[in-house]
Amino acid sequence: DTGVSQDPRHKITKRGQNVTFRCDPISEHNRLYWYRQTLGQGPEFLTYFQNEAQLEKSRLLSDRFSAERPKGSFSTLEIQRTEQGDSAMYLCASSLEDGTIYFGEGSWLTVV
Amino acid sequence: AQSVTQLGSHVSVSEGALVLLRCNYSSSVPPYLFWYVQYPNQGLQLLLKYTSAATLVKGINGFEAEFKKSETSFHLTKPSAHMSDAAEYFCAVRLTGGGNKLTFGTGTQLKVEL
Repeated sequence: DTGVSQDPRHKITKRGQNVTFRCDPISEHNRLYWYRQTLGQGPEFLTYFQNEAQLEKSRLLSDRFSAERPKGSFSTLEIQRTEQGDSAMYLCASSLEDGTIYFGEGSWLTVV
Repeated sequence: AQSVTQLGSHVSVSEGALVLLRCNYSSSVPPYLFWYVQYPNQGLQLLLKYTSAATLVKGINGFEAEFKKSETSFHLTKPSAHMSDAAEYFCAVRLTGGGNKLTFGTGTQLKVEL
């Protein structure tokens, strides 16, 4: 049994560069979520997909952020022109329709 | 809008002592409430959830939580702390309006001392 898988686990990038994170959800889960967590805070919702459709985006998700789930399986989160304020852990999670949400190990981003 | 407040950003207990982590919620509708645990540099693991069935919910690792509507609380307890319980604990409420989204509290860091 595999849980939610995220890659890479850690990424250090220079300000202005683009980064992409990948998430592989639990195989039968049709919902996939992205959250962001900064130090000392709880996770904050960014966006979610039902199958391949992106159904909601938080106001936290600026135009530099884009998420896709092209075939309703894995998802990518791309951040363009990274800023130091983007430094955080990006958590992916998945669930069945209204089922329990299971989180991945997270992808740490450090922008220098 | 639904929200949760966790009282106490840091809690320290002795090994073997009672663990009590506080969470109060705000919701205009019956809430679905959750406790997650996060170990250093890891994602979140579900401890337990309340979904309007029994008010006393038992979770993994000996944790339990009681939903008290009159107090709008969902405090997490464990009778006897173990060193391995040291972690950050997050209370969360599921938002209405579809999407099964969660909003989290700011977390409580639990320290267990010998």
